[in-house]
Amino acid sequence: AQSVSQHNHHVILSEAASLELGCNYSYGGTVNLFWYVQYPGQHLQLLLKYFSGDPLVKGIKGFEAEFIKSKFSFNLRKPSVQWSDTAEYFCAARTGNQFYFGTGTSLTVIP
Amino acid sequence: DSGVTQTPKHLITATGQRVTLRCSPRSGDLSVYWYQQSLDQGLQFLIQYYNGEERAKGNILERFSAQQFPDLHSELNLSSLELGDSALYFCASSVGTGTEAFFGQGTRLTVV
Repeated sequence: AQSVSQHNHHVILSEAASLELGCNYSYGGTVNLFWYVQYPGQHLQLLLKYFSGDPLVKGIKGFEAEFIKSKFSFNLRKPSVQWSDTAEYFCAARTGNQFYFGTGTSLTVIP
Repeated sequence: DSGVTQTPKHLITATGQRVTLRCSPRSGDLSVYWYQQSLDQGLQFLIQYYNGEERAKGNILERFSAQQFPDLHSELNLSSLELGDSALYFCASSVGTGTEAFFGQGTRLTVV
């Protein structure tokens, strides 16, 4: 079965630090990849998505992700985080009808 | 605002009871997904409907059921509730089977 793994459960960074959150998926066929963000008390919102084409995907709020097919990875990056980026981040993969979500990474940014 | 509406926002009920959670997808979206989010289990996929038909089933208990109506809104029915069913229940919708999903605000269910 398809699965999505997020390596970091909790990340604490100071403002202006760079961020990289790891995500690996297990499916070897065609897969759509997503990163969602959940701010405290809110619903999940789409940060960025990859369907095909350029493996470097830019999303909202300065986030980007790189799809590396050979490594089954879709890591999320941001060069300089802000306090407002404090949230839970979910990587997701879609194959066919189903979305598979990782367990999430909690990011805390310290001012 | 994602355009996906869930009601109610909060629900407190006793063990053994039955509740119904409602979801209205974004206009034009045919697919509806239900997820359960709890602290210990993370985000768990429950079930998906597409244009009224069940398309995929995840970790949904037999005590839980769902349906999608002709107007495309969906309901998740939870019965014989247990304390462990306390969680945030999200509904998401998408246009079809190859697009991203948009999430509602969720229904926080507390079973006491």
